[in-house]
Amino acid sequence: GAGVSQSPRYKVAKRGQDVALRCDPISGHVSLFWYQQALGQGPEFLTYFQNEAQLDKSGLPSDRFFAERPEGSVSTLKIQRTQQEDSAVYLCASSRDSQETQYFGPGTRLLVL
Amino acid sequence: KNEVEQSPQNLTAQEGEFITINCSYSVGISALHWLQQHPGGGIVSLFMLSSGKKKHGRLIATINIQEKHSSLHITASHPRDSAVYICAVSRAGNQFYFGTGTSLTVIP
Repeated sequence: GAGVSQSPRYKVAKRGQDVALRCDPISGHVSLFWYQQALGQGPEFLTYFQNEAQLDKSGLPSDRFFAERPEGSVSTLKIQRTQQEDSAVYLCASSRDSQETQYFGPGTRLLVL
Repeated sequence: KNEVEQSPQNLTAQEGEFITINCSYSVGISALHWLQQHPGGGIVSLFMLSSGKKKHGRLIATINIQEKHSSLHITASHPRDSAVYICAVSRAGNQFYFGTGTSLTVIP
């Protein structure tokens, strides 16, 4: 079946602009994770959903970051009033359960000018 | 903050060489994951293990829970193995901690 997909693959935003990043997990996967990966670094945890419930958002760097998964499938990560330091690859991963193998999407590369 | 440390950061090998990448962690874990990331961002999960050893083709992963250490071995390395290899640990709940990765280049 299809893997995790993300869109857009690339996004260039002007500083101050709002952006929305989409993740389509593997069908039936309960758990969904968002990660931020800066250049040359490993991914860092942002937030986690189990079905539609956001159980952990401790990794979101500021209140400009907001994530939702209203129907327990597709998720959107929204960044308001983007700053240059938000430039990174945003990775989405899903798994059947939070402790099982995660399947990663290709990521969205965000560049804030 | 570095719950997961990897070494080396960069590794260059000749085709055919045996490669070892090491991972140490400082927190209690429920499982350890080895991931492969190719240029362009795609991440593939190679192994998830909580004890002992796992083998898949030319890749072998081992973990020593007492020493909080894991190794990823690649036998008969090939240029297509060139990628960043990331160690990650998961804890009870949903927290995942990632290492910064080891960039491997295999030269023909």
